[in-house]
Amino acid sequence: GENVEQHPSTLSVQEGDSAVIKCTYSDSASNYFPWYKQELGKRPQLIIDIRSNVGEKKDQRIAVTLNKTAKHFSLHITETQPEDSAVYFCAASSYNSKLTFGKGITLSVRP
Amino acid sequence: EAGVAQSPRYKIIEKRQSVAFWCNPISGHATLYWYQQILGQGPKLLIQFQNNGVVDDSQLPKDRFSAERLKGVDSTLKIQPAKLEDSAVYLCASSSVWEGATEAFFGQGTRLTVV
Repeated sequence: GENVEQHPSTLSVQEGDSAVIKCTYSDSASNYFPWYKQELGKRPQLIIDIRSNVGEKKDQRIAVTLNKTAKHFSLHITETQPEDSAVYFCAASSYNSKLTFGKGITLSVRP
Repeated sequence: EAGVAQSPRYKIIEKRQSVAFWCNPISGHATLYWYQQILGQGPKLLIQFQNNGVVDDSQLPKDRFSAERLKGVDSTLKIQPAKLEDSAVYLCASSSVWEGATEAFFGQGTRLTVV
């Protein structure tokens, strides 16, 4: 089955700096890669996703890049703000199969 | 559009007792997931339904956990008997599959504490 790994488990950045969070996956059949943000005590919410037929997708301050050859994808947050502080989960799935999550990374943005 | 509804929000039970959680997915979503999220970890899939059929239940501890999705809409997840290690947030999610994408929308979750 699919195995998704995130490293490191925590990341601290200064407000205004950029943050990059990386994930690797194991199943070459995976073709959908979402990123979820989970604030303390709240539900995970989708912030951006990418499919395997594109290499990069951007939405305002966030972007995701995908390297299918190396089987890794990354979340990029520019001009970080304190409200970006949360746990971020990456996930991977192939068509109609289960969505497998990584363990999550805690991002702290220092004011 | 209304989101995924779950109840109850919180539940405290003693070990060896039974408990049930309920989920109402987004209208029209054929796929429904139950995830277990232990504190400090990512969501772990317990079971995935496509309409009222089970797609994946490989990580469901079937000796104590059961789930059903009658009529392909609402779903219930049951634990009987509960163990201390079952303390977690149980998240229900639903998705509408198209073009290979499986964006999942999550409910607020049920926080279970087993004492």
